[in-house]
Amino acid sequence: KAGVTQTPRYLIKTRGQQVTLSCSPISGHRSVSWYQQTPGQGLQFLFEYFSETQRNKGNFPGRFSGRQFSNSRSEMNVSTLELGDSALYLCASSSRDGGNTIYFGEGSWLTVV
Amino acid sequence: QKEVEQNSGPLSVPEGAIASLNCTYSDRGSQSFFWYRQYSGKSPELIMSIYSNGDKEDGRFTAQLNKASQYVSLLIRDSQPSDSATYLCAVNLYGGATNKLIFGTGTLLAVQP
Repeated sequence: KAGVTQTPRYLIKTRGQQVTLSCSPISGHRSVSWYQQTPGQGLQFLFEYFSETQRNKGNFPGRFSGRQFSNSRSEMNVSTLELGDSALYLCASSSRDGGNTIYFGEGSWLTVV
Repeated sequence: QKEVEQNSGPLSVPEGAIASLNCTYSDRGSQSFFWYRQYSGKSPELIMSIYSNGDKEDGRFTAQLNKASQYVSLLIRDSQPSDSATYLCAVNLYGGATNKLIFGTGTLLAVQP
């Protein structure tokens, strides 16, 4: 069974640009969540989607947005990139509605210059 | 007070010893608890999940949960150099229909050959 797949794995963007990251969850998983990991702040929750609906959102500015498609695939977008957005962006999927184990993808490494 | 707290370490143990990793959390209503292992430059990998008070064993790993003390721990028996990594404690603080996890900052474990 394939794991969580994230694309692209590595990318470099210029300050002010926007970026879209993609995530394909484990087959059959309907919950997808996104996390940001930085050396200073650790792993922080961005948002969670279940059946195309955003169910939870973390404390990030509106520049961070996401969506989920009917096939459970998800994308997240960051607009007007700032240097501080440089991070590892992790997508995770889960099979059940809540309180269940989440499995992470390999992540997308974003560098903003 | 942080919602999930871990000692950042490094925790250094000799090969073959027992490594004990600890985590406290703030919300008594928390329902689900997880330990992830993260090697440098990689994404978090699930080690253990625990939902009820007591011990849960899986191979060389034992997770312990004490909800009254708001404390969860991970014991690694017969530690190996390959266990050297950062161990992240994660808690679902909200229960119900969410897979949102709050992570501690992680404990760096170094197993000395």
